[in-house]
Amino acid sequence: EAGVTQSPTHLIKTRGQQATLRCSPISGHTSVYWYQQALGLGLQFLLWYDEGEERNRGNFPPRFSGRQFPNYSSELNVNALELEDSALYLCASSSWHGSPLHFGNGTRLTVT
Amino acid sequence: GIQVEQSPPDLILQEGANSTLRCNFSDSVNNLQWFHQNPWGQLINLFYIPSGTKQNGRLSATTVATERYSLLYISSSQTTDSGVYFCAVVRDNYGQNFVFGPGTRLSVLP
Repeated sequence: EAGVTQSPTHLIKTRGQQATLRCSPISGHTSVYWYQQALGLGLQFLLWYDEGEERNRGNFPPRFSGRQFPNYSSELNVNALELEDSALYLCASSSWHGSPLHFGNGTRLTVT
Repeated sequence: GIQVEQSPPDLILQEGANSTLRCNFSDSVNNLQWFHQNPWGQLINLFYIPSGTKQNGRLSATTVATERYSLLYISSSQTTDSGVYFCAVVRDNYGQNFVFGPGTRLSVLP
């Protein structure tokens, strides 16, 4: 069984640009979660999608947005990039909300 | 919202030593997981343990839900155990997001 896959592995952008990060959940999983982990820090909850709908979002500005597609894959968009957006972005999936989370390997975003 | 604390924040061990990591949470939870983040940033599932005790090789975990804490035991530690250990909880299945603790950074020295 394939795990959660994220692309790209690394992404370098300049301040003010937009970044798009992608996540494919484990087959059969309908819930997708996005977390931000700044260097040396813990995981901060960004967004939760389930059955194509945004179910919850963390304390992040509106320039962080995303969507979930009919095949349950998900996309995270970050507009008007700022230097402090540099972080590891982790995607996780679960078969239903509250069941065990499974994480991808992350996308490391660097904003210069 | 629910608060999650982990202790100790940092731990340095010699290879072969045993250790206990603790996770305290401020409210009742439906799900508790332990993860290991390796030096490359990968988060590995260790245990899904909202209550009771589980063992997997050299690792075991116990959650006492009524007292709102969980313990992760690592026996005969190896250098590959180095990294950050996180616990994560979710209060219910109806819209609360998973909350992660700040982590315990473990360094196992050869």
